[in-house]
Amino acid sequence: NAGVMQNPRHLVRRRGQEARLRCSPVKGHSHVYWYRQLPEEGLKFMVYLQKENIIDESGMPKERFSAEFPKEGPSILRIQQVVRGDSAAYFCASSPGQMNTGELFFGEGSRLTVL
Amino acid sequence: AQTVTQSQPEMSVQEAETVTLSCTYDTSENNYYLFWYKQPPSRQMILVIRQEAYKQQNATENRFSVNFQKAAKSFSLKISDSQLGDTAMYFCAFITGAGTYKYIFGTGTRLKVLA
Repeated sequence: NAGVMQNPRHLVRRRGQEARLRCSPVKGHSHVYWYRQLPEEGLKFMVYLQKENIIDESGMPKERFSAEFPKEGPSILRIQQVVRGDSAAYFCASSPGQMNTGELFFGEGSRLTVL
Repeated sequence: AQTVTQSQPEMSVQEAETVTLSCTYDTSENNYYLFWYKQPPSRQMILVIRQEAYKQQNATENRFSVNFQKAAKSFSLKISDSQLGDTAMYFCAFITGAGTYKYIFGTGTRLKVLA
């Protein structure tokens, strides 16, 4: 009965380094979503993925950010050449194939700190 | 633009008392779903309660109930018999239409239940 698992929980990077955040959805869920929470703000949609497909990445910055959800393994959010403004909590959520109820199942988040 | 406004950044309530968290939203859609999520200090977001906009009856889940005023675009959360475990950030959110995934979140209300 594992929920959405995210790792690492905390990640510290220096400016210019790369950050990789991983997300394993609820078992049986094939849809994954990434949200970003900046300090004192609500969560903002970044990207929606299904297995091997990016469905909607309209909320993701065009540069330096990428996401994937391979056939095998976790979904990965990758941030290249991080800057201080990337410091935030990144939340992954998953849902079954059909979002009949609209409910998303969230992970505990990964907090990225850029020095 | 679709927005969610939570005008109370912080609130406190005595244990066993009742507290109401306010939320207003703006959308031109007629079919949407409203949610309250709880984010305890452990940071995993948990669904508290959901409401379909087409339903006039207010949703209730044990000690949690909503006051949904569609014309006023208001969706407040009432917590009765507050418990220490209710201490958390509470986020109001909505999605438009079934099968969508771009949650619009408010900035949250930090609730502290006092012993």
